[in-house]
Amino acid sequence: AQSVTQLDSHVSVSEGTPVLLRCNYSSSYSPSLFWYVQHPNKGLQLLLKYTSAATLVKGINGFEAEFKKSETSFHLTKPSAHMSDAAEYFCVVSDLSGGSYIPTFGRGTSLIVHP
Amino acid sequence: DGGITQSPKYLFRKEGQNVTLSCEQNLNHDAMYWYRQDPGQGLRLIYYSQIVNDFQKGDIAEGYSVSREKKESFPLTVTSAQKNPTAFYLCASTNAGRDSYNEQFFGPGTRLTVL
Repeated sequence: AQSVTQLDSHVSVSEGTPVLLRCNYSSSYSPSLFWYVQHPNKGLQLLLKYTSAATLVKGINGFEAEFKKSETSFHLTKPSAHMSDAAEYFCVVSDLSGGSYIPTFGRGTSLIVHP
Repeated sequence: DGGITQSPKYLFRKEGQNVTLSCEQNLNHDAMYWYRQDPGQGLRLIYYSQIVNDFQKGDIAEGYSVSREKKESFPLTVTSAQKNPTAFYLCASTNAGRDSYNEQFFGPGTRLTVL
C-alpha cells in the first residue's frame, strides 16, 4: 500500500525568502512522486516529477525537489518566494501496488506569501 | 489545443436530483479519473477508467456512477443517493500503463452546489 503525508497544512513566508514544503511517503515498490500546484477554483498543474532517474528534480517556476529514499521524503523547495506562488500544493505518490498505477494525494499545503 | 474540458464550471441542483458532470479530453489518453475535493481533505478518488467500456470504483464511489463509452469522454453522475454532494469535482487523464507512470492532466473543475 502507498501513502503520502504532507507535514504542514499551511506555510507562511515573506516574498523573497525560501520556501520549503515537506512531504513524506510510504511505498512497497519503486514509486513515482509528483508535486502539483492548484490556484483557487482551478485544476491542478504539474510542478515536477520523480520517476527513478536523477534524485534532484527541477520543475517549473524555480521549484525543485529531492528524492531521499533513506528518509522516504520528497520535499519541495524554492530559493525565493514570489507573490504568484501563493496557492495549494499537493504531493502525490504512485506505484504498482494493486497491479496498476493509481495515485495517492496528500491533503495539501497552503502556501501564503506576504509582501 | 490539447487538453481536458469540464462543463459546466458552476452547477446548482436541488436536493434529490441526479446531475451529470461532463469531462472530455483530446489528449488521446487511455486512463481517466474523477476526484472530489473538499477543503482540507485533498483529492479523493471517486472512479477511474483505464480503457474504454471498463471502469473501477475508487475510495468514495457510493452515490456516484460513470460510463466510458468513448475514449475521449468520462461523464460522472452524482445521484440522489450521495449524502453530501456539494463539492469541487476534478477530472484527470493520463497515459499511465503497466510499465511506467506519467503525470495526470487535470480539467478546470466543476463546482457543484446542492440547495
